[in-house]
Amino acid sequence: KQEVTQIPAALSVPEGENLVLNCSFTDSAIYNLQWFRQDPGKGLTSLLLIQSSQREQTSGRLNASLDKSSGRSTLYIAASQPGDSATYLCAVRRGSGTYKYIFGTGTRLKVLA
Amino acid sequence: NAGVTQTPKFRILKIGQSMTLQCTQDMNHNYMYWYRQDPGMGLKLIYYSVGAGITDKGEVPNGYNVSRSTTEDFPLRLELAAPSQTSVYFCASSYQGARETQYFGPGTRLLVL
Repeated sequence: KQEVTQIPAALSVPEGENLVLNCSFTDSAIYNLQWFRQDPGKGLTSLLLIQSSQREQTSGRLNASLDKSSGRSTLYIAASQPGDSATYLCAVRRGSGTYKYIFGTGTRLKVLA
Repeated sequence: NAGVTQTPKFRILKIGQSMTLQCTQDMNHNYMYWYRQDPGMGLKLIYYSVGAGITDKGEVPNGYNVSRSTTEDFPLRLELAAPSQTSVYFCASSYQGARETQYFGPGTRLLVL
């Protein structure tokens, strides 16, 4: 059974710091992995999607990497800003024959001005 | 484009009552999903649909029903509401293809008393 874990559950950093969020999954046979941002009381916004054949994806100050063999993905945020404060969730799609995504519980990030 | 819209935003139900959560997308997406998010937890898939007339169960389908008569609409029906169904419900959609970014609605907060 696929399980997705995100550690730490919460993180506070000063503005300007570079930071890394972690996502671990137990079954390496994934189809793709997505990183989402969730603001309080709002829906999720997709940040980056990595296909199983890819090693990383970049969008602006965000870079996501994928290492299937070790069951890990990281989300790197460069030069953090107070506006980056939110909960970040990762989700894995288990295979090409299923459309089911398994979500982690998220990392709640606070960037202090 | 409005994207994914959900109604109502908030609802209080009494135990045993029924209701339908509405979800509509205007992006002509084939795939639509219903998730629930309990406090401090990740999202769990309730039901999903890969096109009009086709639905399938997710991780936690008990107590819920869905239908997909059009591409745009994917309502979620709660029969005989129970306190365990108190949660935030998110609808999402995605386009079939390699780039399967999921677009989420703002959520419906449901309280069953």
